[in-house]
Amino acid sequence: DQQVKQNSPSLSVQEGRISILNCDYTNSMFDYFLWYKKYPAEGPTFLISISSIKDKNEDGRFTVFLNKSAKHLSLHIVPSQPGDSAVYFCAASPPSGNTGKLIFGQGTTLQVKP
Amino acid sequence: NAGVTQTPKFRVLKTGQSMTLLCAQDMNHEYMYWYRQDPGMGLRLIHYSVGEGTTAKGEVPDGYNVSRLKKQNFLLGLESAAPSQTSVYFCASSLYSDVFGEQFFGPGTRLTVL
Repeated sequence: DQQVKQNSPSLSVQEGRISILNCDYTNSMFDYFLWYKKYPAEGPTFLISISSIKDKNEDGRFTVFLNKSAKHLSLHIVPSQPGDSAVYFCAASPPSGNTGKLIFGQGTTLQVKP
Repeated sequence: NAGVTQTPKFRVLKTGQSMTLLCAQDMNHEYMYWYRQDPGMGLRLIHYSVGEGTTAKGEVPDGYNVSRLKKQNFLLGLESAAPSQTSVYFCASSLYSDVFGEQFFGPGTRLTVL
């Protein structure tokens, strides 16, 4: 029972264009969402986050949008660069008390072509 | 400041053998986590700890044990390894458990059980 889903295993875009990575969740009680980026043979690194009280958060080329009614969030990368090629995981913070636990999606592999 | 380190980086076990994976963090973080990453499954939480001397089960705890005797170390043990435990294991730590609780990941341990 996957509570956080990334239905696109892979995405390929041209350098300079927009990359849009999508994530759906099932639990309306999730109160915080994060995106992590992972390069091969490395651990995931934090990219950007959004609280459930907001619908948009921007950090440079990266913007995360949250649509609570649709239980959907998306990560936009503009413009995409070859160095953005990596696996992107979305994660949600469940209302489980002070544990800091996160529930991760399956990941989407982004390839940015020069 | 090394961040989160994991030992070993690679390991091959035979079915039934035991081993311990070591995670160390030098950021004085209270919270530590063990995940496994499998193709198409994302990151799944095995066990976690909210402080020295405490441990709790995550999403997929069966076949694993953990200990947090020192704040900076979190050990993951496999008592009798099975092929289903072939995976990449990531350790993570965070300072807080709330919305500021970004998790910092180690580089991973690739385990193969034959």
